[in-house]
Amino acid sequence: AQSVTQLGSHVSVSEGALVLLRCNYSSSVPPYLFWYVQYPNQGLQLLLKYTTGATLVKGINGFEAEFKKSETSFHLTKPSAHMSDAAEYFCAVSETGGFKTIFGAGTRLFVKA
Amino acid sequence: DTAVSQTPKYLVTQMGNDKSIKCEQNLGHDTMYWYKQDSKKFLKIMFSYNNKELIINETVPNRFSPKSPDKAHLNLHINSLELGDSAVYFCASSQRGKYNEQFFGPGTRLTVL
Repeated sequence: AQSVTQLGSHVSVSEGALVLLRCNYSSSVPPYLFWYVQYPNQGLQLLLKYTTGATLVKGINGFEAEFKKSETSFHLTKPSAHMSDAAEYFCAVSETGGFKTIFGAGTRLFVKA
Repeated sequence: DTAVSQTPKYLVTQMGNDKSIKCEQNLGHDTMYWYKQDSKKFLKIMFSYNNKELIINETVPNRFSPKSPDKAHLNLHINSLELGDSAVYFCASSQRGKYNEQFFGPGTRLTVL
């Protein structure tokens, strides 16, 4: 069975600092991995996804994530936080041929001026 | 052009009432979903339809009944509303064979008084 664990329900960084949001997954088959962002009072939108191939994937707004199979991780990073990055971030996993996507519990990112 | 739309955006109602939420997607996707997001932002899948066929039916009270009249529409009817039904309900769509990348609607905030 698939599962997703996001370490830290809240992360606080200063503007200009590195953003690191952690995600670990379990899957019995090669997974598809996603990061979604949810701004207040909005739906989720895709930041980036890993399907196959290059393990370092780049997304929108300067975010990137690296798929590490040996660590079953898919951590999200951004070199320099901006105030507009303050939002809820969800890591998610789905399996080849499946319909279900499992979402992590979310990490709220706070950015301090 | 709105890809996934939901109506209404806000729904305030009394306990015991029956209400419906509607969802439409214009992405040409063949799969649609209903998710419930609670006050802690936890996202839980409720139902999924693929080509109008119910394929995911999680442990949800049978007061909740989804209906998919065609591939582009998925509605959610809720009978005998309870206080615990208060949440944000998201519709999403995806295309089978495209990694289950999901496109979310803006959400419907349901408040049961």
